[in-house]
Amino acid sequence: TQLLEQSPQFLSIQEGENLTVYCNSSSVFSSLQWYRQEPGEGPVLLVTVVTGGEVKKLKRLTFQFGDARKDSSLHITAAQPGDTGLYLCAGAWGNEKLTFGTGTRLTIIP
Amino acid sequence: GAVVSQHPSRVICKSGTSVKIECRSLDFQATTMFWYRQFPKQSLMLMATSNEGSKATYEQGVEKDKFLINHASLTLSTLTVTSAHPEDSSFYICSARLASLYEQYFGPGTRLTVT
Repeated sequence: TQLLEQSPQFLSIQEGENLTVYCNSSSVFSSLQWYRQEPGEGPVLLVTVVTGGEVKKLKRLTFQFGDARKDSSLHITAAQPGDTGLYLCAGAWGNEKLTFGTGTRLTIIP
Repeated sequence: GAVVSQHPSRVICKSGTSVKIECRSLDFQATTMFWYRQFPKQSLMLMATSNEGSKATYEQGVEKDKFLINHASLTLSTLTVTSAHPEDSSFYICSARLASLYEQYFGPGTRLTVT
């Protein structure tokens, strides 16, 4: 079973600060996705990365896929209360099922 | 685009009864749909993979006779929880995927409470 460990598990920071969330595995992925989930709702796709070393930016969010395609990071600049939520990474091998990470629960304090 | 709906959003049922949850892809055809279960404050756990026109593939530890999955069309998959018990209470989420893409698009989830 391939495992995806996310760190930190919980993070609470002040509005305006920067933060990084990590997603690590011992397995190589063909693609990795990041999702954000709010309470009582389904996850919403933020980004997909497929190439080792790839960096993608989505406004204040920067996603990076590790060179070896075993890990990924999500960096948020100038966090806002609307960024609060559960952030999940998910890895896939080929066009197969996703394995979800353990999750990072982010709270931005106004 | 890529909208997935689930119905119902919440359901309360008595122990021993069966409950059906529908998952629909509204603006695309999904050759594959997935069913997940999520416990409070935890990540998503894959229950089964559902391919249109064929039997679902269940993950280890998931009882196929208890969680019946039907994927009769390219836009609809159903999950039936049979003879539900309180321990089946959970948040059930489906997702759908286009044949040629990596991404899965998730439904809003169904909160099942078994009393």
